Amino acid sequence: DQQVKQNSPSLSVQEGRISILNCDYTNSMFDYFLWYKKYPAEGPTFLISISSIKDKNEDGRFTVFLNKSAKHLSLHIVPSQPGDSAVYFCAASARSNFGNEKLTFGTGTRLTIIP
Amino acid sequence: NAGVMQNPRHLVRRRGQEARLRCSPMKGHSHVYWYRQLPEEGLKFMVYLQKENIIDESGMPKERFSAEFPKEGPSILRIQQVVRGDSAAYFCASSPYREETQYFGPGTRLLVL
Repeated sequence: DQQVKQNSPSLSVQEGRISILNCDYTNSMFDYFLWYKKYPAEGPTFLISISSIKDKNEDGRFTVFLNKSAKHLSLHIVPSQPGDSAVYFCAASARSNFGNEKLTFGTGTRLTIIP
Repeated sequence: NAGVMQNPRHLVRRRGQEARLRCSPMKGHSHVYWYRQLPEEGLKFMVYLQKENIIDESGMPKERFSAEFPKEGPSILRIQQVVRGDSAAYFCASSPYREETQYFGPGTRLLVL
């Protein structure tokens, strides 16, 4: 039962353009969402998060949008840079429930930035 | 401020041996989480611990796997009698409080021959 889905396994974007990564979830108890970036042979690096009380959060080149009614979130990277090439994981938790802080991850999207 | 430390980074075991994976959380973090990533898959939650307590072990296999986070020292994930299917990358994450962002270590890559 895949509660967090990233339907695009890979995405290629020209340097300088916008990268949009998508994520869907099915569990309505999720109230906190995060994006992590992962290079090969390294651990995931936290990028940005959003609480379910918001619909947008921005940090530099990264913006996350949340559409609760559609159970959909997206990560926008503008402008895209070669160093952004990595696997991006969407994750969710139901942190308002004590003891339920575990993260549920999607399967990842491999982003390649073309110089 | 050092990040989450995991050792060893690579571990090779033969079937039937024991594997011990260590995780030292970031300074000031008392919450530790273990995740496993099988090849070509996302990370899957295994267990959530606070100092001396297991809070959530809903992702732990029922047999051969155990975890602890003692009052002093690192968190340990122990796998007894390893099988080939245990080959994976095991990641540890830590947070200062229960509702804070989890920060990940570099992982331990376990290979069972």
